[in-house]
Amino acid sequence: KQEVTQIPAALSVPEGENLVLNCSFTDSAIYNLQWFRQDPGKGLTSLLLIQSSQREQTSGRLNASLDKSSGRSTLYIAASQPGDSATYLCAGGDGKLTFGTGTRLTIIP
Amino acid sequence: DTEVTQTPKHLVMGMTNKKSLKCEQHMGHRAMYWYKQKAKKPPELMFVYSYEKLSINESVPSRFSPECPNSSLLNLHLHALQPEDSALYLCASSQDRGSNTDTQYFGPGTRLTVL
Repeated sequence: KQEVTQIPAALSVPEGENLVLNCSFTDSAIYNLQWFRQDPGKGLTSLLLIQSSQREQTSGRLNASLDKSSGRSTLYIAASQPGDSATYLCAGGDGKLTFGTGTRLTIIP
Repeated sequence: DTEVTQTPKHLVMGMTNKKSLKCEQHMGHRAMYWYKQKAKKPPELMFVYSYEKLSINESVPSRFSPECPNSSLLNLHLHALQPEDSALYLCASSQDRGSNTDTQYFGPGTRLTVL
């Protein structure tokens, strides 16, 4: 059974800093890896999807990487802004997504 | 248009009530999903529909009954719920289930409170 872990559970950084969020999974037979953000009480917004054959994806200030051999994915956020404050979730699977526990990110103005 | 809509936004119901949650997408997606999310926890998969047929039921109690009337619409019928069923219920859709290229698009959720 796939297990997905995210560390740290919470992170606070000053505005403007670059930061990295981590995601670990136990089953390397992962089809794809998605990163989402969730604002309090809201639904999930898809940020990036990395296919199993890819190693990274970029969208604006976001860059996500995938290393299947080590069972890890990272989400890099450049030049953080207060609007980036949210909970970030990674999820892996093949249509049946298993979600990580999430990292609650706070950007301090 | 990458929007998944859910109604109602909030629902309060008693344990003897029957209610339904509705989810709609017009992206031509053929896979639709129901997730349950408790406070400060990640979403947990409940059901998956693929081409309007139920393909995954994650051992969900029968008081939750999904229905997919057509490729754009997904319902979740609720009956005799318990207070511990109070949660945010999320609907999602993707182009096809199991495709390596699929992104799941989520709706805003229905906040359900069972009294």
